[in-house]
Amino acid sequence: GAVVSQHPSRVICKSGTSVKIECRSLDFQATTMFWYRQFPKQSLMLMATSNEGSKATYEQGVEKDKFLINHASLTLSTLTVTSAHPEDSSFYICSARVAGLFGSPKGETQYFGPGTRLLVL
Amino acid sequence: GQQVMQIPQYQHVQEGEDFTTYCNSSTTLSNIQWYKQRPGGHPVFLIQLVKSGEVKKQKRLTFQFGEAKKNSSLHITATQTTDVGTYFCAGPMRTGNQFYFGTGTSLTVIP
Repeated sequence: GAVVSQHPSRVICKSGTSVKIECRSLDFQATTMFWYRQFPKQSLMLMATSNEGSKATYEQGVEKDKFLINHASLTLSTLTVTSAHPEDSSFYICSARVAGLFGSPKGETQYFGPGTRLLVL
Repeated sequence: GQQVMQIPQYQHVQEGEDFTTYCNSSTTLSNIQWYKQRPGGHPVFLIQLVKSGEVKKQKRLTFQFGEAKKNSSLHITATQTTDVGTYFCAGPMRTGNQFYFGTGTSLTVIP
């Protein structure tokens, strides 16, 4: 159980275009999803917290108008990189937490998607 | 701000040798999680520690949470090539909702 999928797994786009990445929890409901970015040989940096039915919470230094997040249902969150530039090239990973179990060990476990490698030319 | 550091950043060991990575937080943590990321892969949850001084074992892996709940360690006994990857600790931010990931320790096992 607790499988998270991401689509696409890899995308190459031209500078100036927008790219949408989907994160789905396949066998559980996730009221909260997280979006991370990871540059080569570096740690995961939290970009934003996606809450179902409300606005996302962005970390300091992350442009909310550039990285649009929508969490329309309990199983789907999307990240749209608008007007992508080469410096946006990175590995984007989402994670989801099981709904209704916050405060319990299982509810705090993050289940990660397989990630999306974005290359902006 | 809140920080979670790990040492060492890189570790190369001969197969069969032991390996330890240490995680240190600038603040007290309510709990700490450990993840493993294989090269080219995504982080996979290993374990969560909650209690002060807690020790948990998973086969050859031993996880420990410090008494002050500001540090943790992961020890692997008799490493195998399948242990290759980057090990991250993660601690909750003050809000409790999000997690800070440590800087990670990349383990290479030489056959």
